[in-house]
Amino acid sequence: DTGVSQDPRHKITKRGQNVTFRCDPISEHNRLYWYRQTLGQGPEFLTYFQNEAQLEKSRLLSDRFSAERPKGSFSTLEIQRTEQGDSAMYLCASSFGGSGELFFGEGSRLTVL
Amino acid sequence: QQQVKQSPQSLIVQKGGISIINCAYENTAFDYFPWYQQFPGKGPALLIAIRPDVSEKKEGRFTISFNKSAKQFSLHIMDSQPGDSATYFCAASSGGTSYGKLTFGQGTILTVHP
Repeated sequence: DTGVSQDPRHKITKRGQNVTFRCDPISEHNRLYWYRQTLGQGPEFLTYFQNEAQLEKSRLLSDRFSAERPKGSFSTLEIQRTEQGDSAMYLCASSFGGSGELFFGEGSRLTVL
Repeated sequence: QQQVKQSPQSLIVQKGGISIINCAYENTAFDYFPWYQQFPGKGPALLIAIRPDVSEKKEGRFTISFNKSAKQFSLHIMDSQPGDSATYFCAASSGGTSYGKLTFGQGTILTVHP
């Protein structure tokens, strides 16, 4: 399977703990995006990378959130000191160049107790 | 200014019928309008997209109609099938930032009865 893969698919954690999600994009795609989706809503943009450079971050991305894409390949999204409001599906997507055609992974569902 | 409003929230149609989902946007800088389809437990997948230089785009049973002056666009699914049952999201973005930085609508849950 050469699609976008995300790990873990599900994460249950206690409030205050740190969590990290990993995304492996389609190999030839140089842009990588993180979105957050809550139940019954459309995805919301969080941040995106072109190769290893983080080009934009949404105001939704508080200082407890950090994303990296070392070497321009896989990416990680870390949430520190999780809060119940962080419970959501975290979606990763990749694209080639500035194309609007995003290829999404199946997401990492976070539940904060 | 960044909102994309989608209606209806849910839609039930009979097999063979036409499904119509509408979206309206505010930001006149938007110049790319895709529709994504999402099945339970899966990520969204691009269905069809349009740019404002055309008023309609058709791919198979799926058609986007675009009205630039009204800042509205819609998805029409002809001959709807039970396999089309999914959540549909309209979205919009601007090439001035990144076409991949999408603003999504709230979604429409489509159920097609056999």
